Amino acid sequence: AQKITQTQPGMFVQEKEAVTLDCTYDTSDQSYGLFWYKQPSSGEMIFLIYQGSYDEQNATEGRYSLNFQKARKSANLVISASQLGDSAMYFCAMRETPRSKAGTALIFGKGTTLSVSS
Amino acid sequence: EAGVAQSPRYKIIEKRQSVAFWCNPISGHATLYWYQQILGQGPKLLIQFQNNGVVDDSQLPKDRFSAERLKGVDSTLKIQPAKLEDSAVYLCASSVGYGLSQETQYFGPGTRLLVL
Repeated sequence: AQKITQTQPGMFVQEKEAVTLDCTYDTSDQSYGLFWYKQPSSGEMIFLIYQGSYDEQNATEGRYSLNFQKARKSANLVISASQLGDSAMYFCAMRETPRSKAGTALIFGKGTTLSVSS
Repeated sequence: EAGVAQSPRYKIIEKRQSVAFWCNPISGHATLYWYQQILGQGPKLLIQFQNNGVVDDSQLPKDRFSAERLKGVDSTLKIQPAKLEDSAVYLCASSVGYGLSQETQYFGPGTRLLVL
C-alpha cells in the first residue's frame, strides 16, 4: 500500500535561510508522481512542485526544489531564502499511475509546520 | 482563470443534524475530488468523480455521507446525520483530465465543519 511519511512535526528557520522538509514514501509501483503542497492558516492547499518517478533531474520551481533520491524513496522539499510568508503547513503527497478505474487520488503525509522568524 | 470555489466556508451544527457543502471546480476540469482533513492530519479522499460518474468512493461512509455531481460540473457533498467525529475541513479539488500520475490537483479554500 502507498504510504507517505513526514517525520518532522515542526521546523523553525530564520528569514533568508534555506530549509529542508523531509518526505519518504513507500510504493511498489514503478510509475508515480510526488507532489508538495503548502497550506497556510487560511486552509487552501497550494500546489508547489511536482516530481515524476522517471524524471532524471530534480524538479525546481523558483525558490522551491525537490531533492529526489529514488533508491532511498525520499523526496525532500528545499526552500531557499525563506520568507515570513513561507510560514505554513507543508504536505508531501504521492499518486501512482492508475491501471484501472480504482482512482487516482493523492495520498498525503501528516505534514510539517514551518515557522519562519525575522 | 477562476479557482475552485467552495461554500460555505464555515459551518457549525449539532450532532444528528444534516449539512451540505457545495463545490464548483475549475472550468473544463473533468475530475473532481472531495477530501476530508481532520485536524493535525493530511487530507484523505472521500470520493472522486470523473465527469458525472463516480470513480472511487471506497472511503466514503455511505451510511451517512452522499455526494453527487450532476451534469459533470459542480458537486454537492452531504452528511446526514452528522457525528462529532465528522468535525473536519472538507476540501474540494479538481484536475483537468483523467488522472495521470503527473496531473496536478487544484484545491478550493475548504469548508470548516464543527459538529457539537
